[in-house]
Amino acid sequence: DVKVTQSSRYLVKRTGEKVFLECVQDMDHENMFWYRQDPGLGLRLIYFSYDVKMKEKGDIPEGYSVSREKKERFSLILESASTNQTSMYLCASSATSSDGIQYFGAGTRLSVL
Amino acid sequence: RKEVEQDPGPFNVPEGATVAFNCTYSNSASQSFFWYRQDCRKEPKLLMSVYSSGNEDGRFTAQLNRASQYISLLIRDSKLSDSATYLCVVTSASKIIFGSGTRLSIRP
Repeated sequence: DVKVTQSSRYLVKRTGEKVFLECVQDMDHENMFWYRQDPGLGLRLIYFSYDVKMKEKGDIPEGYSVSREKKERFSLILESASTNQTSMYLCASSATSSDGIQYFGAGTRLSVL
Repeated sequence: RKEVEQDPGPFNVPEGATVAFNCTYSNSASQSFFWYRQDCRKEPKLLMSVYSSGNEDGRFTAQLNRASQYISLLIRDSKLSDSATYLCVVTSASKIIFGSGTRLSIRP
């Protein structure tokens, strides 16, 4: 079974803090994704990566950056957290970049106060 | 217009009923289609792929209508455990787009 593990289920941070969300997958997938999910807006793609050290902007990259130093790990970074970044963050991996079959982590619910 | 649209629901149906919902997409060049299920406070999980000829998996039937640009999901003999949000996914070129989901609630 594919396993995608996110480092935290719940996080509470203060405005202006730097926040790291970590994601690890164990299936040797090339592609990894970061989404945020908000009520009524569905899943929105923040960034994705199709190889180590490669990254591509998604639909809403502003205020975020990512790091992929190893194939199995994809990190999302909020350089200076703001209240409008309070959301559910979901990491996913897939075998190919256009593969609609994605495997998700359990999500991190981030609250920025 | 959103690239992928779903009726948000909620659909509230009695146990044992048949329920169906659609997902429309705007890009006629879309290539592949999927239904995901997301339980409350959990991550989305793949329910089934949608093939051109339609496909069935137990009580679930998925269909694709390319002419009208929509996919559908039909659930027969619904169970309490079917209560969830159902997300459609459409891919085109290198893009994967999730719908916002349709919430389904099955009542005893």
